Amino acid sequence: DVVMTQTPLSLPVSLGDQASISCRSSQSLVESNGNTHLHWYLQKPGQLPQLLLYKVSNRFSGVPDRFSGSGSETDFILKISRVESEDLGVYYCLQSTHLPLTFGSGTKLEIK
Amino acid sequence: EVQLVESGGGLVQPGRSMKLSCAASGFTFSNYGMAWVRQAPTKGLEWVATISYDGSSTYYRDSVKGRFTISRDNAKSTLYLQMNSLRSEDTATYYCTRPDLDWFAYWGQGTLVTVSS
Repeated sequence: DVVMTQTPLSLPVSLGDQASISCRSSQSLVESNGNTHLHWYLQKPGQLPQLLLYKVSNRFSGVPDRFSGSGSETDFILKISRVESEDLGVYYCLQSTHLPLTFGSGTKLEIK
Repeated sequence: EVQLVESGGGLVQPGRSMKLSCAASGFTFSNYGMAWVRQAPTKGLEWVATISYDGSSTYYRDSVKGRFTISRDNAKSTLYLQMNSLRSEDTATYYCTRPDLDWFAYWGQGTLVTVSS
């Protein structure tokens, strides 16, 4: 199985700061057609997960442009510029290039 | 608006069976593959199973293969997960999801399955 390693596990930030979360895969996530199936989710406290970015850097409908994604092969970054209180929760990366689909263990974004 | 409503969860004894349902609306159900994702209490997310738009292809994680069966009824716009030989480690909230291609774009509210004697 592809192991998805997220760092840090916990990320204390001040509102208005920039935040970065890393996700590293144990195998390349590039498909033979060149697509990279790495996606990001946010699960706010007590809520269901919500899709933020798909295929590394594409924002899902309604996601603010302060969320951005980058990376390739095995190393990926989610950046949040100007963190707002509604951004707090647990962030997960997901790879869907290989079966079984696997999530990272999560990064908790919290107020410093 | 895409809506996914799960039902069928609850308390079940180890070794017994349970069937989850997910009623879909707001989109043409028969055009989309569907999936189940679970989350054990205070833990992370775990993909369980996926079914193709017409039910002809199914995929499972190893730990549920042979025990769980994902299926669908396109006439009723409903997704199912039949869970047999349940174990304590299957205790989780089970989410019904609708992928856009292969990322889980839409999620139901989830239904809690507790396996305990």
